[in-house]
Amino acid sequence: QSALTQPASVSGSPGQSITISCTGSNNDIGRYNYVSWYQQFPGKAPKLIVSEVSNRPSGVPDRFSGSKSGNTASLTISGLQADDEADYFCSSYIGSSTPWLFGGGTKVTVL
Amino acid sequence: QVQLQESGPGLVKPSQTLSLTCTVSGGSISSDGYYWSWIRQHPGKGLEWIGYIYHSGNTYYNPSLKSRLTISLDTSKNQFSLKLSSVTAADTAVYFCVRLDGDDQFFDPWGQGTLVTVSS
Repeated sequence: QSALTQPASVSGSPGQSITISCTGSNNDIGRYNYVSWYQQFPGKAPKLIVSEVSNRPSGVPDRFSGSKSGNTASLTISGLQADDEADYFCSSYIGSSTPWLFGGGTKVTVL
Repeated sequence: QVQLQESGPGLVKPSQTLSLTCTVSGGSISSDGYYWSWIRQHPGKGLEWIGYIYHSGNTYYNPSLKSRLTISLDTSKNQFSLKLSSVTAADTAVYFCVRLDGDDQFFDPWGQGTLVTVSS
């Protein structure tokens, strides 16, 4: 099973909105609503920011929102801030012999 | 809140066994519905799910690692462990211990991660 596909990098200016895509297939994102997103700063552990496609855990700003259409999930960061500069990974449950897939990660740069 | 912390050697020789322990604090490893997992991140690359253990002792491993992998737990110490045998340079990675929510299939929280380098 191939990893989920994310753009290597996305950039935006402070205050703008950016969207990170995560593309899978009918067997993962297209089949299950178990897509999650993680934020990772250099040298740090990933932090959950979205679960089940669009649920935000307590404490995560509402500037972060998740959605899904077909085989592609998306993470939108609205009102981009300097401290949003980090790597972002998506994950999907796929229910197979290797139940979870991850994306390759997207580096967000705030210009 | 639940916190996880990995511990173990940062350098392992090729062909030897990589051993890591994860200590869980702020919650019980025997809680229902949570699966105690290991995930690794190769340098500069994405994440790879390694396997998990449930408090019952049931395990599930990534098929690509299954022949070399053992995950165990010690409920008295609130710890779970990973052993990966016959390591090569390809096993060099940051290893994270993570709690998996079995109902909603997300990983949270994560340990800080520990870099394990396989080198002679």
